[in-house]
Amino acid sequence: EPEVTQTPSHQVTQMGQEVILRCVPISNHLYFYWYRQILGQKVEFLVSFYNNEISEKSEIFDDQFSVERPDGSNFTLKIRSTKLEDSAMYFCASSLGLAGGANVLTFGAGSRLTVL
Amino acid sequence: QKEVEQNSGPLSVPEGAIASLNCTYSDRGSQSFFWYRQYSGKSPELIMSIYSNGDKEDGRFTAQLNKASQYVSLLIRDSQPSDSATYLCASVTGGGNKLTFGTGTQLKVEL
Repeated sequence: EPEVTQTPSHQVTQMGQEVILRCVPISNHLYFYWYRQILGQKVEFLVSFYNNEISEKSEIFDDQFSVERPDGSNFTLKIRSTKLEDSAMYFCASSLGLAGGANVLTFGAGSRLTVL
Repeated sequence: QKEVEQNSGPLSVPEGAIASLNCTYSDRGSQSFFWYRQYSGKSPELIMSIYSNGDKEDGRFTAQLNKASQYVSLLIRDSQPSDSATYLCASVTGGGNKLTFGTGTQLKVEL
């Protein structure tokens, strides 16, 4: 079964450092997403990406965050200067079409980010 | 603020019983609803989707949607210990492209 692949599975970084989280979405999917889940809290939407541009972003997704599809397979989330409160599990997801209807999101296994 | 509300639980049921999980949503524009299962430390895994009022059955799972009451539920029949997980309710507003999740309900199926 096709899957969304994320690397690294766990990253520990110092506050203020830049972090890049990587994702390989399902190959024929057109929509890509990042969500995050702080320990013990709900899964929160960060950003959606379609046709090489951001289609929607949440208020969490401020200037410290950026996304990129540098080639035909990878989708990355960059946090420019990490803060303690960025510590969370970050999930990449992809879908064939717009979320909802028959176009369900498939989530990757997640990248756990720990900021010290 | 468009919210999806769930009782955090834990909900404890004996093995073989029916587990009933509930969810309410505030945005009347929500069109699509999803139940995801999340094991501790793992990613959400889709169980069911539902878009129309009424019931939708898939194996041991039945999703129920009542748009007038803004209420979604998930029934799990013949609950198994392996069903022990957190169940996340999520919605998508019509024309939108993001899932809004509830906090999840922790289900414990006891032997």
